[in-house]
Amino acid sequence: AQSVTQLDSQVPVFEEAPVELRCNYSSSVSVYLFWYVQYPNQGLQLLLKYLSGSTLVKGINGFEAEFNKSQTSFHLRKPSVHISDTAEYFCAVSEAGTALIFGKGTTLSVSS
Amino acid sequence: GAGVSQSPSNKVTEKGKDVELRCDPISGHTALYWYRQSLGQGLEFLIYFQGNSAPDKSGLPSDRFSAERTGGSVSTLTIQRTQQEDSAVYLCASRWTGDSTEAFFGQGTRLTVV
Repeated sequence: AQSVTQLDSQVPVFEEAPVELRCNYSSSVSVYLFWYVQYPNQGLQLLLKYLSGSTLVKGINGFEAEFNKSQTSFHLRKPSVHISDTAEYFCAVSEAGTALIFGKGTTLSVSS
Repeated sequence: GAGVSQSPSNKVTEKGKDVELRCDPISGHTALYWYRQSLGQGLEFLIYFQGNSAPDKSGLPSDRFSAERTGGSVSTLTIQRTQQEDSAVYLCASRWTGDSTEAFFGQGTRLTVV
């Protein structure tokens, strides 16, 4: 069965600094990979997804993620963060015909 | 409706009572998921319905938890004999057929067991 590990539970950064949120997954077959974001007191929304093709995926709000099959990773990056990026970020994996499984989340805190 | 709807939004119950949480998915979505979100635990998968297939119940934490989906649409998550450790936000999500599609989430039901 697939699983997801988000290596950092909390990531504090200063505004305009770059950030990387790490995600590793385990699966024996081809997978679909997702990043979701949950802003304070709001529901979850999709940030970006990898299905196939180009390993670099661009999402909303300037975020991007790179799929690395050999390292079974799908790290999320942003070159310059804003205060408004403060939120909880969830990595998720889905295999054909199985449930969508989430990691435990990474809290990104952006300060000025 | 336009999105996934969950009710109630908040529920306070006494330990030992049964509770029912409801989810109305987006019309036409064949897949429906229930998750439990608690501090530090992320989104814990509970159960997955896909069309007419048998549900994947592998995430249900105990036999006090059950869920059904009637007519391929509305789903109800039932927790019997609630315990304090059941306190959490219960999230429902739905998606179109296909594991590559986006899952849309409801706002959740915050359950507090006192």
